[in-house]
Amino acid sequence: EPEVTQTPSHQVTQMGQEVILRCVPISNHLYFYWYRQILGQKVEFLVSFYNNEISEKSEIFDDQFSVERPDGSNFTLKIRSTKLEDSAMYFCASSEAQRFYEQYFGPGTRLTVT
Amino acid sequence: GNSVTQMEGPVTLSEEAFLTINCTYTATGYPSLFWYVQYPGEGLQLLLKATKADDKGSNKGFEATYRKETTSFHLEKGSVQVSDSAVYFCALSATGGSNYKLTFGKGTLLTVNP
Repeated sequence: EPEVTQTPSHQVTQMGQEVILRCVPISNHLYFYWYRQILGQKVEFLVSFYNNEISEKSEIFDDQFSVERPDGSNFTLKIRSTKLEDSAMYFCASSEAQRFYEQYFGPGTRLTVT
Repeated sequence: GNSVTQMEGPVTLSEEAFLTINCTYTATGYPSLFWYVQYPGEGLQLLLKATKADDKGSNKGFEATYRKETTSFHLEKGSVQVSDSAVYFCALSATGGSNYKLTFGKGTLLTVNP
């Protein structure tokens, strides 16, 4: 069964460093998303991406964040200068055009900023 | 804005017990409602959904009915198994436009003991 994959599973970085979180969505999906979950808190929407551009972003998704689909398979989230409060589990998701509400999630990347 | 409130966990049950996890929502318009499940070490999986009032979503013995009058979508299962131990998330997706993001509740940890 096709699935969303994410790498790495755990990333430790120092404050101020840049990190790139990688996702491979399901191959025939056209909508891509990033969510995050700070420990003990809700899963929060960050950004949605369709047709090579951002379709919606939350107030969390400030200038420090960017997303890219560099090739036909990967979807990346970059944090330019990490802060302690960026420590969270980051989930990638994808959905097909006709059933956009059925979002398939990856296993997540745990980002720890020290 | 949209929001989802679900009962605080953790919930601990014995095998074959009846499960209810309460979920209420606040949204403009007519959202679609979902339950996602996260097994240990895995990503979020769509468990069931309902896209309009009075719809009942069901899967793997779990059920939830979209109640517009009480703005609720409570998850139920008649007889839980040890393998149902996981974190359960209630979520909604607003309809219309390109607003496909999911708004999640905080999650409820369920532990089923043999």
